[in-house]
Amino acid sequence: DAGITQSPRHKVTETGTPVTLRCHQTENHRYMYWYRQDPGHGLRLIHYSYGVKDTDKGEVSDGYSVSRSKTEDFLLTLESATSSQTSVYFCAISEIWGAEQYFGPGTRLTVT
Amino acid sequence: AQTVTQSQPEMSVQEAETVTLSCTYDTSESDYYLFWYKQPPSRQMILVIRQEAYKQQNATENRFSVNFQKAAKSFSLKISDSQLGDAAMYFCAYRSTNQGGKLIFGQGTELSVKP
Repeated sequence: DAGITQSPRHKVTETGTPVTLRCHQTENHRYMYWYRQDPGHGLRLIHYSYGVKDTDKGEVSDGYSVSRSKTEDFLLTLESATSSQTSVYFCAISEIWGAEQYFGPGTRLTVT
Repeated sequence: AQTVTQSQPEMSVQEAETVTLSCTYDTSESDYYLFWYKQPPSRQMILVIRQEAYKQQNATENRFSVNFQKAAKSFSLKISDSQLGDAAMYFCAYRSTNQGGKLIFGQGTELSVKP
């Protein structure tokens, strides 16, 4: 299994509070991705990174920001959480362009 | 924009039988990748099989094989000799050769396996 961990694995927070999710990899892969999974939508890309300090938006990026200061860590921040951001969040990594992506175990976030 | 459609929200198969999950996609690109991922109740996303669009030969991985029809934009997954452990949600995914390598997922098909 690819060495990908996500923390926390579960979190309950209140509307309006900031939240940061962490993805950590031990594979030294260049590409990292954040997806969210909601019923009826499959997984949708939030943001991705193609190198340290190099990030770009995905299809559902509103309300989210990311940072990557080290190869191994990719942070997803919800500046002010809303109930519509209740979801399961997955991090994924990819070694090279075109390669398959390997996923972390996911984080279940509930915004009350 | 590319889209991926899985028209079967749920499927059921008897243990040891064969089942086929359907996936269609829409794209104007000629070069891309297609994947099937499995998500068991543990929620872990597991790569099942991968197909490069430029390859005419259908990919196979043990009991899993695909039927890739490029002209029809169809990418079905066949599971042979189904096992109880195959019960899971299955997602079809499309990946462009550009656009940052992001995956575009279908809505998923929930497969149940009856003993």
